[in-house]
Amino acid sequence: KQEVTQIPAALSVPEGENLVLNCSFTDSAIYNLQWFRQDPGKGLTSLLLIQSSQREQTSGRLNASLDKSSGRSTLYIAASQPGDSATYLCAVRYSTLTFGKGTMLLVSP
Amino acid sequence: DGGITQSPKYLFRKEGQNVTLSCEQNLNHDAMYWYRQDPGQGLRLIYYSQIVNDFQKGDIAEGYSVSREKKESFPLTVTSAQKNPTAFYLCASSRGTERNYGYTFGSGTRLTVV
Repeated sequence: KQEVTQIPAALSVPEGENLVLNCSFTDSAIYNLQWFRQDPGKGLTSLLLIQSSQREQTSGRLNASLDKSSGRSTLYIAASQPGDSATYLCAVRYSTLTFGKGTMLLVSP
Repeated sequence: DGGITQSPKYLFRKEGQNVTLSCEQNLNHDAMYWYRQDPGQGLRLIYYSQIVNDFQKGDIAEGYSVSREKKESFPLTVTSAQKNPTAFYLCASSRGTERNYGYTFGSGTRLTVV
């Protein structure tokens, strides 16, 4: 069964800290991996898309890495801000997109 | 701006009723998807369509139906056979049937049974 796991389930940090969110997947035969952000009661906003042939992608303060052989991806957020508070979802593309349960992030001023 | 529009934002259903959730996209994407989100669970795939007039069941299709008569539209009907329909429903699209494209999501519809 293709499963996606995100650790930790919740994370609370003070403003300014650098942090890492983890995602693991059981089947390494992926096409790509996508990180999303979800604010309470809202839809999903795509942050980064990494193709299976790529090792990392960067957008502003965000950096996502992919190690397909070990079934792992990380999302690195630099210099966190209160506005980064949200749930972060990792999704792996097999025939369709399979999601983890997310990491709820709270950044305190 | 191109995007996905879901309506209504909130929907209330009485026991035994069918309700239809709307999803429209102006991204010229070929594929469209419906997901369900429940507290503490990941998103689960209900139905998807890769081309007009064709669609496939996802992991939790029982009690739901869809149609794809136009490229831009992929409505989801929650039937009375769905025993626990209260959830947040998300529609998504992707550019083509090739699996290297990412997904774009709408803002969701929250369905509550009253």
